[in-house]
Amino acid sequence: QKEVEQDPGPLSVPEGAIVSLNCTYSNSAFQYFMWYRQYSRKGPELLMYTYSSGNKEDGRFTAQVDKSSKYISLFIRDSQPSDSATYLCAMSAGTGGFKTIFGAGTRLFVKA
Amino acid sequence: GAVVSQHPSWVICKSGTSVKIECRSLDFQATTMFWYRQFPKQSLMLMATSNEGSKATYEQGVEKDKFLINHASLTLSTLTVTSAHPEDSSFYICSADRYRNTEAFFGQGTRLTVV
Repeated sequence: QKEVEQDPGPLSVPEGAIVSLNCTYSNSAFQYFMWYRQYSRKGPELLMYTYSSGNKEDGRFTAQVDKSSKYISLFIRDSQPSDSATYLCAMSAGTGGFKTIFGAGTRLFVKA
Repeated sequence: GAVVSQHPSWVICKSGTSVKIECRSLDFQATTMFWYRQFPKQSLMLMATSNEGSKATYEQGVEKDKFLINHASLTLSTLTVTSAHPEDSSFYICSADRYRNTEAFFGQGTRLTVV
């Protein structure tokens, strides 16, 4: 079993739809949870960063962490064609040099 | 956010030659840098963790004599792919970790093609 599971998709939605991306994990030591967006042939860029359980909102993006279920989500409201990318969840047990474990990434296509 | 610069962004080399990739943190000191490899439509696979001034820690299955990592300063780490073969063709990405920060800042990646 992988430490982090993420459905690779692809996920195709119409413009304006609400997108839900999810990851599950098995390591209860994870405390820090991140979502990265990666465009083709580019390095990942950090979208959201959450510590422990709870919700965090930033513009059209909302990240949710449920540590009891070992389940994290990223919601994108009013999706745009420019949101088309691969979204990677990532998590880590600590700060300052701890390894970050990535999900496989979900490819998202937002159709105009 | 913090800026990490990776160079070159793409490189083509002949089989048997060596290639060096640089990763620089431009506006912060990176105590730890990570090197990843990413095959098409796959996630990032951690190759090694490097701490400034000490030897890199390689993940299982990664040949340390083939992928030489040097982290000589708090702003620069290099990955050298020695005696490159076509199967080494991949997208290599570095990330830098600010002290006490867990979010990693990524370079733009280097696409290596070995012919």
